[in-house]
Amino acid sequence: QSALTQPPSASGSPGQSVTISCTGTSSDIGDYNYVSWYQQHPAKAPKLMISEVSKRPSGVPDRFSGSKSGNTASLTVSGLQAEDEADYYCSSYAGSNSVVFGGGTKLTVL
Amino acid sequence: QVQLVESGGGVVQPGGSLRLSCAASGFSFSASGMHWVRQAPGKGLEWMAFIRYHGGTKSYADSVKGRFTISRDNSRNTLYVQMDTLRVEDTAVYYCAVSPSAWRFDYWGQGTLVTVSS
Repeated sequence: QSALTQPPSASGSPGQSVTISCTGTSSDIGDYNYVSWYQQHPAKAPKLMISEVSKRPSGVPDRFSGSKSGNTASLTVSGLQAEDEADYYCSSYAGSNSVVFGGGTKLTVL
Repeated sequence: QVQLVESGGGVVQPGGSLRLSCAASGFSFSASGMHWVRQAPGKGLEWMAFIRYHGGTKSYADSVKGRFTISRDNSRNTLYVQMDTLRVEDTAVYYCAVSPSAWRFDYWGQGTLVTVSS
């Protein structure tokens, strides 16, 4: 149950796009299309932004999109806005009724 | 609307026990898988445990296996986790989360802080 690998930080200016990667293995991301992304503002509970690699729940802006290639998933935030500044976590089903999270990426809007 | 309210957190000595509860409302609790996820101070999210809607299937992270027990009472719409043999490294905010399908966490509670310290 090793954590997925995310870059500790990412940044972009308002209006720009930024992509956050999430690297796992052939036992988690590579084997299942159950990758999710969560946004967490300071002292708040996480919020689901993307599920099943690329599905956006109702209410999530279409500026947020997800994709996967092999053992790596990605979250892209287009048209960055100030309120997008937060920590982002990926997760993946890892088999045997278990889930693994990434270490988190702090997104800064410059 | 969906509400998940955790309770039971507090300060406990190493080796001690604590039981957390998560009261659920606004969705079909008895039809939903539930999870516990924790977050140590200043750290990332860590999946801890899962229980299927009927309670017959449970799973745990290696870090808590054998020490923590997840359970649920569908008649009370409440999720529990019994935490025994607590360690300093178990200090964290503990969240319950609902997972109707696809191993995603649709909604989260506000979290309850557990501090393990002598």
